[in-house]
Amino acid sequence: DAGITQSPRYKITETGRQVTLMCHQTWSHSYMFWYRQDLGHGLRLIYYSAAADITDKGEVPDGYVVSRSKTENFPLTLESATRSQTSVYFCASRRQGMNTEAFFGQGTRLTVV
Amino acid sequence: GQQVMQIPQYQHVQEGEDFTTYCNSSTTLSNIQWYKQRPGGHPVFLIQLVKSGEVKKQKRLTFQFGEAKKNSSLHITATQTTDVGTYFCAGPPGGYQKVTFGTGTKLQVIP
Repeated sequence: DAGITQSPRYKITETGRQVTLMCHQTWSHSYMFWYRQDLGHGLRLIYYSAAADITDKGEVPDGYVVSRSKTENFPLTLESATRSQTSVYFCASRRQGMNTEAFFGQGTRLTVV
Repeated sequence: GQQVMQIPQYQHVQEGEDFTTYCNSSTTLSNIQWYKQRPGGHPVFLIQLVKSGEVKKQKRLTFQFGEAKKNSSLHITATQTTDVGTYFCAGPPGGYQKVTFGTGTKLQVIP
């Protein structure tokens, strides 16, 4: 039972390159989320999805693109990476419903040089 | 937009001392959840509070939801080194899809 997995776990990329972070969950949860975690800022929501083909912006969406063609996958793409996007990225999922807990992936540590 | 602030940002305590973190939202929350993130790890769900004024306990941890459903607290009695980590509150404003996390409180326990 893999749950929710992110890949890669670590990534170093150059400024201006496109990079995609993958997130896969095996529970068929309706909701999926991408957060970034930076010192002093806690967890900030980038994008979220309520179901396949339904996505919406969070607090800090600029510079990111998401898609959700299948329920189980929710990739996050940095179209042209910048140093300010160096961060730890967490994917999360939860069941539909008001009082459901979020399950987080292990995180991807991204460094943009 | 909704803002969820936590205080303090950092807390160092001697093992055995108590610890409290406070969570304040700029908007009324339908429910509040608490998560713990160990160093180098990912957030893990601890508990959820739904009712105004609700109090729940998990061993040495006591969680409280404010009467106005805009604030919450987590109190740890007699901290242990296993309590080290960052504690986050999280709550959905109105609609429940977009869960906003607080800024977190990082707890260090000195043995």
